[in-house]
Amino acid sequence: QVQLQESGPGLVKPSQTLSLTCTVSGGSISSGSYYWSWIRQPAGKGLEWIGRIYTSGSTNYNPSLKSRVTISVDTSKNQFSLKLSSVTAADTAVYYCAREYTYYPDYWGQGTLVTVSS
Amino acid sequence: DIQMTQSPSSVSASVGDRVTITCRASQGISSWLAWYQQKPGKAPKLLIYAASSLQSGVPSRFSGSGSGTDFTLTISSLQPEDFATYYCQQANSFPPSFGGGTKVEIK
Repeated sequence: QVQLQESGPGLVKPSQTLSLTCTVSGGSISSGSYYWSWIRQPAGKGLEWIGRIYTSGSTNYNPSLKSRVTISVDTSKNQFSLKLSSVTAADTAVYYCAREYTYYPDYWGQGTLVTVSS
Repeated sequence: DIQMTQSPSSVSASVGDRVTITCRASQGISSWLAWYQQKPGKAPKLLIYAASSLQSGVPSRFSGSGSGTDFTLTISSLQPEDFATYYCQQANSFPPSFGGGTKVEIK
């Protein structure tokens, strides 16, 4: 059973860079035809897809965030990571990592709340 | 970007009721649609993919239909554990996008 777990600071100052890591267990991040994705959800609001990385390392980013987002993968640690630069209060949200199979997120992490505040 | 519009935004229902939620895409997405269930404080759970395919382990009272721009999620007999918020998601065009959600509440 694949499991995903987000980790990283819960508080980030405005204009700084948000950094999160997703650790995958129960399977190799390199095996299978999966994308590994980040999705976020502001409190009381809907879901926003941030971006994804394929096992080859190729990436896709939401155009609305593309200039600020970097997603990378570390296959040796079975992890993938999110960096979001120049954050503002609008980036405060629960951030989820997920596995995408045929473009549908089928396994999700529990989510981690990131607050942007000074 | 493709906009996904769900209706209603909330519905009150009783255990045993049949509940139908609608999702409309701003342009045709073939059958590239999924439905998710989210409970408070939890991650979304995939229920239906490819518009009508039931994800493994999901009860058969959940069903999906539709293609093109109009889609439906039906819960045939609402159970206590089904009270949650439901989201649709299109996977046809980049970037993937979600509907605004439908909250199923206890009547």
